[in-house]
Amino acid sequence: GAGVSQSPSNKVTEKGKDVELRCDPISGHTALYWYRQSLGQGLEFLIYFQGNSAPDKSGLPSDRFSAERTGGSVSTLTIQRTQQEDSAVYLCASSLTLRTGLNTEAFFGQGTRLTVV
Amino acid sequence: DAKTTQPPSMDCAEGRAANPPCNHSTISGNEYVYWYRQIHSQGPQYIIHGLKNNETNEMASLIITEDRKSSTLILPHATLRDTAVYYCIVRDRDLYSGGGADGLTFGKGTHLIIQP
Repeated sequence: GAGVSQSPSNKVTEKGKDVELRCDPISGHTALYWYRQSLGQGLEFLIYFQGNSAPDKSGLPSDRFSAERTGGSVSTLTIQRTQQEDSAVYLCASSLTLRTGLNTEAFFGQGTRLTVV
Repeated sequence: DAKTTQPPSMDCAEGRAANPPCNHSTISGNEYVYWYRQIHSQGPQYIIHGLKNNETNEMASLIITEDRKSSTLILPHATLRDTAVYYCIVRDRDLYSGGGADGLTFGKGTHLIIQP
């Protein structure tokens, strides 16, 4: 696609329910990143993928969070048993490669605004 | 452990050059300087990056001091649409080879307000 696409754009869920957020990266981009931005806060890095592999999951806030990527393309971020503090905008980005300086600028999607009530 | 320091906010008159600064005194030889911006309610947007030489593209110029401990982004003729939070980020040159395992680390950035 022309840009990074995220769905849904908005999600309201009840506390305790599971949610799944989807990211379609730019075609051909091997690196994919998830961030979240809480109201009035900066961007918090969560996890990155190189291909289908996520070498470091330490940025995920808790074990309720998981992410996967299949076929080197679409990625899903799953939050189980959502809590109110999970409310944030979840942003996905992709870049051609991970190697800095070689066209590695990251292109961001518009985000999914998650509200846990 | 913030790698960069930026002023929280700055104003600039429309049509003038906006030049948000960034300190990165602990930058290593392998780290690039990246600039992104985030316009309200949108995802961050890449602006420019550089290693040690000054860089220019269609959006902006990046001036990096000779000791690489600070840099300045220059928007030559700022417009109202340039109002955004501007993030300065340092990032290891070669993440894939184990130089770092995270993505871009965003700080608080500078809220640049272009005044009419």
